Amino acid sequence: KNEVEQSPQNLTAQEGEFITINCSYSVGISALHWLQQHPGGGIVSLFMLSSGKKKHGRLIATINIQEKHSSLHITASHPRDSAVYICAVNTGNQFYFGTGTSLTVIP
Amino acid sequence: DAGITQSPRHKVTETGTPVTLRCHQTENHRYMYWYRQDPGHGLRLIHYSYGVKDTDKGEVSDGYSVSRSKTEDFLLTLESATSSQTSVYFCAIRSGTGNQETQYFGPGTRLLVL
Repeated sequence: KNEVEQSPQNLTAQEGEFITINCSYSVGISALHWLQQHPGGGIVSLFMLSSGKKKHGRLIATINIQEKHSSLHITASHPRDSAVYICAVNTGNQFYFGTGTSLTVIP
Repeated sequence: DAGITQSPRHKVTETGTPVTLRCHQTENHRYMYWYRQDPGHGLRLIHYSYGVKDTDKGEVSDGYSVSRSKTEDFLLTLESATSSQTSVYFCAIRSGTGNQETQYFGPGTRLLVL
């Protein structure tokens, strides 16, 4: 059983499309993180959320604590957004990570 | 990148040989972590450290040992490497507290055990 589930596992989009990646978790958390990993690259933090919504450029992250669900949205997607997006939750004791969503944006 | 480096970045070794991976940080963070990343799995915690000489096991610690003799360095050792330990290894540090806590990751080490 995974504490963090992401969907979809793989996603292909045309440049300019609106993209949504979903994350559900089954444990109590102090915060949820969205991470980005480019092919062959390191892992960088995009957002940290404990409630509500955050926006950074074309990226928007939301969280519903009651439903234990978070979404990452990308508006006006671009080929440089192609990466693996990882949802992670902090329970206060440790981090649990989803398996990632592999996004490919086609020009 | 919170001043985290990993060495080596790539390693090919043979089954049964010992391997040591190094994580180095420059910002005096107390907590350091070793994860492995494999297809079909999320990042999985191998070991972590909460101070010099203070370490504890994660969920996939079998076959691995760690040491932390100074704040800036956290070493991961595979005493006798096996093919199942072929993976990408990430070191991370913890920054912040409470619901502001986050982790910053090193660039990763790709290990192939033949």
